[in-house]
Amino acid sequence: DTGVSQDPRHKITKRGQNVTFRCDPISEHNRLYWYRQTLGQGPEFLTYFQNEAQLEKSRLLSDRFSAERPKGSFSTLEIQRTEQGDSAMYLCASSRPRTGGVTDTQYFGPGTRLTVL
Amino acid sequence: GENVEQHPSTLSVQEGDSAVIKCTYSDSASNYFPWYKQELGKRPQLIIDIRSNVGEKKDQRIAVTLNKTAKHFSLHITETQPEDSAVYFCAASFYNQGGKLIFGQGTELSVKP
Repeated sequence: DTGVSQDPRHKITKRGQNVTFRCDPISEHNRLYWYRQTLGQGPEFLTYFQNEAQLEKSRLLSDRFSAERPKGSFSTLEIQRTEQGDSAMYLCASSRPRTGGVTDTQYFGPGTRLTVL
Repeated sequence: GENVEQHPSTLSVQEGDSAVIKCTYSDSASNYFPWYKQELGKRPQLIIDIRSNVGEKKDQRIAVTLNKTAKHFSLHITETQPEDSAVYFCAASFYNQGGKLIFGQGTELSVKP
């Protein structure tokens, strides 16, 4: 499968616990994005990487959230001390950069659905 | 900050009719406008996109138009089929912002046989 993959697909946790999600982008895609989607809403940008560098974090992203992409391949998103408001679908997407100010297509993974009890 | 408004939030059409979904964006520097289709429980799938140097793009039954002056773009689906039923999201992006997508709120399209 050459698409974006995410693991786990579902995660149920109790409030206050830490959770970690993984995203494997399409091979050779050096841009990787994390989005959060709540029911009935469009995805909201959280953060993105170009290779291993985290270049932007949304103001929506509290200090409890941290993301890494240590070798420029897969990425992890960790949420510490989860709250019920963190319940959402966490989507990962990847793309290739293009020159000349052109944005390339972002391909999404299936998402990790987080439920915080 | 950047904002994308999408209308309508729900749209119901008869099979074979056309459907139109409209979006407006706030950042005049935006230069890339994709449309995604998301079926229940599935990932968003790109169906068509348009860049700011083009006013219209068509792919079979799907077309997108862009009016840079008015900062709005629209999705047109002709000869709708029941399998077109899904939630459609528009988005806007600017390369110098890392290509992050700012999404609209979504339109739930229902095509009745």
